[in-house]
Amino acid sequence: SQTIHQWPATLVQPVGSPLSLECTVEGTSNPNLYWYRQAAGRGLQLLFYSVGIGQISSEVPQNLSASRPQDRQFILSSKKLLLSDSGFYLCAWSRQANQPQHFGDGTRLSIL
Amino acid sequence: GESVGLHLPTLSVQEGDNSIINCAYSNSASDYFIWYKQESGKGPQFIIDIRSNMDKRQGQRVTVLLNKTVKHLSLQIAATQPGDSAVYFCAENRWEGGATNKLIFGTGTLLAVQP
Repeated sequence: SQTIHQWPATLVQPVGSPLSLECTVEGTSNPNLYWYRQAAGRGLQLLFYSVGIGQISSEVPQNLSASRPQDRQFILSSKKLLLSDSGFYLCAWSRQANQPQHFGDGTRLSIL
Repeated sequence: GESVGLHLPTLSVQEGDNSIINCAYSNSASDYFIWYKQESGKGPQFIIDIRSNMDKRQGQRVTVLLNKTVKHLSLQIAATQPGDSAVYFCAENRWEGGATNKLIFGTGTLLAVQP
């Protein structure tokens, strides 16, 4: 069966510090991968998606970037965090387009 | 703009009753819809999906109904249990061409099950 892992589960960072959140998928190959952000009490906003190694599409201009160095690894980064980067970050995978996306348990990021 | 939205932000039901959560979508070209359940502090969990060539699909204790005429989606939960308490999201799967899809999420409905 397929599993998706995100870490860390919670993170507290000062403004201006760098960020690296990691997501890995097991049990499948060449998945589509996604990063979402969820504000408190709200739906999910798509940030980045990837259909293959090194292929990243950005949905909204922001202070964040994504990379996919390996087939089943997706990384969300920032060089300098802003207060507005606080939120709940979720990684997801799907087998292919027009198939269900399956989510990890997220990272709660707080910027101080 | 196109969007997916929910009619009720909160729904309170008695344990054992049936629950119905509603969702409206605006993109008539969307052909695939998904319901997710999200418990506090966790990621959304896939419940059930339906494609536009169907108007009903059943799972274990759950049924999704799709009315394309009025662009309405509903999730029915039979014999609601305390463990069903969560936020429920509908999502519209939008085909963007190429090799990827995008999920457009509604704002969510909180289901509170009273013992």
